[in-house]
Amino acid sequence: GAGVSQSPSNKVTEKGKDVELRCDPISGHTALYWYRQRLGQGLEFLIYFQGNSAPDKSGLPSDRFSAERTGESVSTLTIQRTQQEDSAVYLCASSAQGRSSYNEQFFGPGTRLTVL
Amino acid sequence: QKEVEQNSGPLSVPEGAIASLNCTYSDRVSQSFFWYRQYSGKSPELIMSIYSNGDKEDGRFTAQLNKASQYVSLLIRDSQPSDSATYLCAATQGGSEKLVFGKGMKLTVNP
Repeated sequence: GAGVSQSPSNKVTEKGKDVELRCDPISGHTALYWYRQRLGQGLEFLIYFQGNSAPDKSGLPSDRFSAERTGESVSTLTIQRTQQEDSAVYLCASSAQGRSSYNEQFFGPGTRLTVL
Repeated sequence: QKEVEQNSGPLSVPEGAIASLNCTYSDRVSQSFFWYRQYSGKSPELIMSIYSNGDKEDGRFTAQLNKASQYVSLLIRDSQPSDSATYLCAATQGGSEKLVFGKGMKLTVNP
């Protein structure tokens, strides 16, 4: 079946602009995660959705970052007033939580964000 | 101690050899562990998950979990040049569903 998809694959923006990143999880996966990977760095957790609720937002770096999920499906990560330090690959993952999957998370291809 | 620690390497092995990748973890993570492979410029790909003490084999890959010593390892037998990638160790953080990752180990398999 189809995996996790993300769009756009690349986004170049100017400092101070707002950006929206989209994630379509694997069909039927109830849990959705956003991570960030800066160049040469490890993966940093941003936010976790169970259904349409976000029980863990602890990784969002500032109030410029927000995310929502609708229909227990698509999620959008919004970054307002982008800064150069926001440049990174934003990765979305989903898992079939509540089943026998032990929370195996499957990643999408990522969105590479460059803030000029 | 960081939640998940991984020797950053790099590791270089000849084709056909066994590659051994190791990871240690703290009490702050739960008992679900994962190995991801990440090719340059690509996203992480799940290759192994392990939850119980002992070994788990899948093809050329074997994951080992030792809860007493708090380490998890990945063995790649008969290493191939196509195995050249960065390998990420991850664990579910205790009380949360998020994954915490090690910094990754870059593996190069030389033909």
